Amino acid sequence: AQTVTQSQPEMSVQEAETVTLSCTYDTSESDYYLFWYKQPPSRQMILVIRQEAYKQQNATENRFSVNFQKAAKSFSLKISDSQLGDAAMYFCAYRSAGGSQGNLIFGKGTKLSVKP
Amino acid sequence: EAGVAQSPRYKIIEKRQSVAFWCNPISGHATLYWYQQILGQGPKLLIQFQNNGVVDDSQLPKDRFSAERLKGVDSTLKIQPAKLEDSAVYLCASSSLPGYGTEAFFGQGTRLTVV
Repeated sequence: AQTVTQSQPEMSVQEAETVTLSCTYDTSESDYYLFWYKQPPSRQMILVIRQEAYKQQNATENRFSVNFQKAAKSFSLKISDSQLGDAAMYFCAYRSAGGSQGNLIFGKGTKLSVKP
Repeated sequence: EAGVAQSPRYKIIEKRQSVAFWCNPISGHATLYWYQQILGQGPKLLIQFQNNGVVDDSQLPKDRFSAERLKGVDSTLKIQPAKLEDSAVYLCASSSLPGYGTEAFFGQGTRLTVV
């Protein structure tokens, strides 16, 4: 079974600085998708960025980028120029490219605080 | 585009009572998911529907939990009888196509407290 591990329960960053959130996963599959979701206090999960395992190029969305290391099974999220609105829980998630057609497997999350 | 709608936002019940949650996915989305998120943990899939058929309910505690999506649109998740350990946020999500890289859109969830 696939597992997702986020080893940082909490992180803090100064406004305008850069922070990196860590995620590792375990799988025997070669084809899959990885996601970072943001969950503010409103509880609604919002997709931040996604990465296809077959793509070597790291995904980027504005201030958000990932460092995808397939061999190491590592998928970290870098937030540049942090803003107060980035404060939230961040969840790393895995989705198989087959099998149950789309079940997302989540890590336990990292709580990000942004200091003004 | 309207998002995923869930109700109620909050619910407090006593153990052994029953409770129901409602979800209306984004229009046209064939796939609907119910997740349970216990405090301090990531969401865990309870059940996945494709139209009105069940794709995956392997982690649904079927002795007390049930879910239906009769017309392939909105869905209801029921707990009967509730236990203290059912206290959690119940998230509904939908996507337009089954799985893979397709984005799942989430509702705001229902926070259930069992006392």
